[in-house]
Amino acid sequence: EAGVAQSPRYKIIEKRQSVAFWCNPISGHATLYWYQQILGQGPKLLIQFQNNGVVDDSQLPKDRFSAERLKGVDSTLKIQPAKLEDSAVYLCASSSLELAGYNEQFFGPGTRLTVL
Amino acid sequence: DAKTTQPPSMDCAEGRAANLPCNHSTISGNEYVYWYRQIHSQGPQYIIHGLKNNETNEMASLIITEDRKSSTLILPHATLRDTAVYYCIVRFPYGGATNKLIFGTGTLLAVQP
Repeated sequence: EAGVAQSPRYKIIEKRQSVAFWCNPISGHATLYWYQQILGQGPKLLIQFQNNGVVDDSQLPKDRFSAERLKGVDSTLKIQPAKLEDSAVYLCASSSLELAGYNEQFFGPGTRLTVL
Repeated sequence: DAKTTQPPSMDCAEGRAANLPCNHSTISGNEYVYWYRQIHSQGPQYIIHGLKNNETNEMASLIITEDRKSSTLILPHATLRDTAVYYCIVRFPYGGATNKLIFGTGTLLAVQP
């Protein structure tokens, strides 16, 4: 089966510019996650969708970050305006409904963002 | 904050068993232990999970102590392709905001030829 697709793979922008990332989860997966991974750290959850509804966006800097999953399938994450500290890899993951504690998240390859 | 403690790095000789420890002394009764790994320039990959019994799959074995305060991930015959950062995570089993994966900094396992 096809994995989680993300684009672009790399993006370089200047601070104060805007940028958008796209994610297409595994077919049939109801839950979609966006993570931010700063160099040397583990991934940090930014937002979690269940179908097209937001489950958790407590770590999303809402003054500059936004995300949507309008039809409950693919999703976009936007940063506007970008800051230097937003330089990171942005990972998308998806999972199906949980069964008896088993909830494997499948991750995409990520988008590496560099803000100059 | 991550609720687990792992050594920052470990070495292992190719073909030998790699034993990666994890402390989770504040784990609650219905929290599971999950292991993911992240190979360089890739997204994390699920390895295994368990509640209180030892678990084994085609990738690894998970040994959880009887008091559940620590666990060990075992890669029985490490290869160079197992070089990665390994994350130990505890989480509640069911959906919603309370069960998110909280990654720490993990253990960088370097398999040496």
